[in-house]
Amino acid sequence: IAGITQAPTSQILAAGRRMTLRCTQDMRHNAMYWYRQDLGLGLRLIHYSNTAGTTGKGEVPDGYSVSRANTDDFPLTLASAVPSQTSVYFCASSDSNTDTQYFGPGTRLTVL
Amino acid sequence: GQNIDQPTEMTATEGAIVQINCTYQTSGFNGLFWYQQHAGEAPTFLSYNVLDGLEEKGRFSSFLSRSKGYSYLLLKELQMKDSASYLCAVMDSNYQLIWGAGTKLIIKP
Repeated sequence: IAGITQAPTSQILAAGRRMTLRCTQDMRHNAMYWYRQDLGLGLRLIHYSNTAGTTGKGEVPDGYSVSRANTDDFPLTLASAVPSQTSVYFCASSDSNTDTQYFGPGTRLTVL
Repeated sequence: GQNIDQPTEMTATEGAIVQINCTYQTSGFNGLFWYQQHAGEAPTFLSYNVLDGLEEKGRFSSFLSRSKGYSYLLLKELQMKDSASYLCAVMDSNYQLIWGAGTKLIIKP
């Protein structure tokens, strides 16, 4: 692994289903983030974690949950997917020295 | 509220120079970032400004004026591969990034 990986690359999901998007980084960054990106809008922060064992809510947290059991992994769960959660989801991590965020390749999620 | 404004789309010619502007109103300021995002790909870091002035990095330069809430990204000697969206983001007082919607740059031969 080099950098940040996300899985799956894309997914079509029926409304009401539960879904977990996976994110793993090997850069030993303390902070990690989940964003959604929708056409015409800026990246919007869903949840973040400043360090393993802690999480916080971003701008659009409703309908999503996260956990941070260790430094490397930061999964995002949709408990009961709805069509408005159709989006591209990016995971990112940041170096505490520079605050620069580095992004994974993204997951394209379609909820029908 | 917090707001980042940048043009939706710009067109420029290969070999030319283009300036992409960004204005911001945020609760606090802890730096401004520019990212490049090619279609279907992840954003990649371009530059960071926290003090007023110009930061130069090869063909790309970024300028910041904190008193005016203004930044620009300057791209010189444009190449076709520079066709992408350019995202401006400001780190607020809570050290969260507030993102603009991005400027789609189209390069024509």
